[in-house]
Amino acid sequence: QKEVEQDPGPLSVPEGAIVSLNCTYSNSAFQYFMWYRQYSRKGPELLMYTYSSGNKEDGRFTAQVDKSSKYISLFIRDSQPSDSATYLCAMSTGANSKLTFGKGITLSVRP
Amino acid sequence: GAGVSQSPSNKVTEKGKDVELRCDPISGHTALYWYRQSLGQGLEFLIYFQGNSAPDKSGLPSDRFSAERTGGSVSTLTIQRTQQEDSAVYLCASSLYNTIYFGEGSWLTVV
Repeated sequence: QKEVEQDPGPLSVPEGAIVSLNCTYSNSAFQYFMWYRQYSRKGPELLMYTYSSGNKEDGRFTAQVDKSSKYISLFIRDSQPSDSATYLCAMSTGANSKLTFGKGITLSVRP
Repeated sequence: GAGVSQSPSNKVTEKGKDVELRCDPISGHTALYWYRQSLGQGLEFLIYFQGNSAPDKSGLPSDRFSAERTGGSVSTLTIQRTQQEDSAVYLCASSLYNTIYFGEGSWLTVV
């Protein structure tokens, strides 16, 4: 079993839809949880950062962490074509520790 | 401000040749990471430098891969006797506290 599993996709939604992206993990030592967005031929860009369990909201984006279920989610409200990208979940055991990534899911938002 | 800078951005090399990839982290960042991303795959951890501590080399796939970080700043990832399976994007990242920033990557193609 991989340490971090992410739905493989791809995912295609119409503009304005609510998007739900999910990852599960097996290592209970993970404390820091991140979502990165990666556009084609670009480096990953940090979208959301959460420490331990709970929710965090930033504009149209909400990150949720459920440590008891070892499950994290990213919700995108009112999705836009500009949200079309690959989304990667990542997590670590410490603040400056190495990140372990999911494989990423490619999202396409149709106008 | 300046982000993580990587060079070359693209490199085509012949099988069996050595390559060097360079990373200039964000000024003042103490942690530096190298990751590899192959087509359709997530980010694979290679090596992690933190301050003056011994690097975490646990992700290096073989002894053909090595990395050094000089003066706590610039890092070079060296791949000796390149193989076709080394073709990938090599991503460098740096952090100071708990936010990890990535460069745009070095796209390596071994022919």
